Amino acid sequence: EAGVAQSPRYKIIEKRQSVAFWCNPISGHATLYWYQQILGQGPKLLIQFQNNGVVDDSQLPKDRFSAERLKGVDSTLKIQPAKLEDSAVYLCASSLLKGGRTDYEQYFGPGTRLTVT
Amino acid sequence: AQSVTQLGSHVSVSEGALVLLRCNYSSSVPPYLFWYVQYPNQGLQLLLKYTSAATLVKGINGFEAEFKKSETSFHLTKPSAHMSDAAEYFCAVTSFTGGFKTIFGAGTRLFVKA
Repeated sequence: EAGVAQSPRYKIIEKRQSVAFWCNPISGHATLYWYQQILGQGPKLLIQFQNNGVVDDSQLPKDRFSAERLKGVDSTLKIQPAKLEDSAVYLCASSLLKGGRTDYEQYFGPGTRLTVT
Repeated sequence: AQSVTQLGSHVSVSEGALVLLRCNYSSSVPPYLFWYVQYPNQGLQLLLKYTSAATLVKGINGFEAEFKKSETSFHLTKPSAHMSDAAEYFCAVTSFTGGFKTIFGAGTRLFVKA
């Protein structure tokens, strides 16, 4: 089966510019996650969707970050305006919904490396 | 609140030696525990998971981990390191506390010397 797809793989922007990342999860996976991974740290959850509804966005900086998953399939994460501290790898992951509960194993995409100068 | 602590940001072993990567967690409810591996410029890949069945869990590439509730630990081991094991390893805990939430540790980078 195809894995989680992300694009672009790399992006360099100047501070105060905007950027968008795209993710297509594994077919049939109802739960989708966006993580921010700063160099030398573990992934930090930004937002979690179940189908097209938000389950958890408590760590999403909502003044500059937004995410949507309109049709319950692919998703877009946007940053506007970007700051230097947003330089990180943005990982998308998905997991299967079983019996009404999200499965525990997450499948990760390759990530998008963002550099803000 | 739940948390994950990985002891040692860097671990170096010789090829053929035992690999031991340490992970301690805290959770107010029974947790599910995971080890993921990340190779350079790639996403995370699941190595193994503990979901309240057998406490000794075997994963891919010869890795295994043992859930010890009394020690709140889930250390990752491999009897004999291979050069291809050089990567970053992340321990993660998932628990249900008003919602399903996963927390990742800071990671341990494994170096394997020839």
